[in-house]
Amino acid sequence: GAVVSQHPSRVICKSGTSVKIECRSLDFQATTMFWYRQFPKKSLMLMATSNEGSKATYEQGVEKDKFLINHASLTLSTLTVTSAHPEDSSFYICSARDMRGPYNEQFFGPGTRLTVL
Amino acid sequence: RKEVEQDPGPFNVPEGATVAFNCTYSNSASQSFFWYRQDCRKEPKLLMSVYSSGNEDGRFTAQLNRASQYISLLIRDSKLSDSATYLCVVNGADGGSQGNLIFGKGTKLSVKP
Repeated sequence: GAVVSQHPSRVICKSGTSVKIECRSLDFQATTMFWYRQFPKKSLMLMATSNEGSKATYEQGVEKDKFLINHASLTLSTLTVTSAHPEDSSFYICSARDMRGPYNEQFFGPGTRLTVL
Repeated sequence: RKEVEQDPGPFNVPEGATVAFNCTYSNSASQSFFWYRQDCRKEPKLLMSVYSSGNEDGRFTAQLNRASQYISLLIRDSKLSDSATYLCVVNGADGGSQGNLIFGKGTKLSVKP
């Protein structure tokens, strides 16, 4: 399958700081990437859809001013958690859609575990 | 009705057993279906796409019943390494191939020696 990388894999930060997470498609171009969040023992929840060259589409209940998404190239999307608070601590996972095949499968990055103190 | 429903398990089976997971989805316009597996504290990994006619990949067989809006995954000759959470995934609300993915909560499988 296609390869998606994510950086950093783990972040510990103080409350009030901003954290930037990068998601890259390594062997294919992705016009669409997705950002998910997963709390312990819960299912993946889609936060937003990142579209190359245009504004991201946020799911209901997700604050766009708090979770800034930038998809400046066909291989890179970034998620910035601004003014992070302890309740933002979670596992953040990106995925990219591989449009080369008939099923437009999504492949996930390895995730970023964010802990806000 | 939830969009994608799965039996949460856990399914505890001995090595070599055959185990079947079921999943139902609510949006009849959905067109793409997948099974992912997720290991503890890891990202989901695509296991297989589910084709209309059903498909097999080694010990894994996936089937789709559009009339009943039902998807299944069969694992034969279970291995210890099959222990994971299996996620049933359906493309999203607009039903088209460009839709977002909707994840079930997953079925946990534990294969014992």
